[in-house]
Amino acid sequence: AQRVTQPEKLLSVFKGAPVELKCNYSYSGSPELFWYVQYSRQRLQLLLRHISRESIKGFTADLNKGETSFHLKKPFAQEEDSAMYYCALRARDDKIIFGKGTRLHILP
Amino acid sequence: SQTIHQWPATLVQPVGSPLSLECTVEGTSNPNLYWYRQAAGRGLQLLFYSVGIGQISSEVPQNLSASRPQDRQFILSSKKLLLSDSGFYLCAWSGAYGYTFGSGTRLTVV
Repeated sequence: AQRVTQPEKLLSVFKGAPVELKCNYSYSGSPELFWYVQYSRQRLQLLLRHISRESIKGFTADLNKGETSFHLKKPFAQEEDSAMYYCALRARDDKIIFGKGTRLHILP
Repeated sequence: SQTIHQWPATLVQPVGSPLSLECTVEGTSNPNLYWYRQAAGRGLQLLFYSVGIGQISSEVPQNLSASRPQDRQFILSSKKLLLSDSGFYLCAWSGAYGYTFGSGTRLTVV
């Protein structure tokens, strides 16, 4: 079964501390994985894709096929990182399956 | 550039009334289009998707329906709203870089 799991509903981190948002997936085949972010009063938007191997706003995510994980990391949290984060997987039929999301709260 | 428009932004409707939410895409042709419902603690639930005009697939049984009368238009409807239809509805289209989402509609059924 295709599934994306984000075990944390809420993650509170102090400003300047490292951030790790966990994501595990279940998919038979090679998945295409994404992180989406929704800031307060803004639309849901793409943060990064595993294919690009890019760093956006200081965030990175590495696909670990052995652990079936795609955790989102940032070495030093900033207050503007407070948002709702969704991990997502695109299946072969082009449907995207989302995790339930993690609310990241950066404490001053 | 590709853009996606969704309206209205908010809607308050009485139980039993009809619903029509509209989504249009610009700057692309023959997009795959999707309707999602976003609920607190439940993430994003795929409701419908469409790969072309008149082609609709439903992911979950429910009180809602979808239609695609034109290539870049996707409509979410109901004949009679239920209280449980309240939620935040998102339209999206699929491109090479992932999904692009509309700004969403907050529907409150009273």
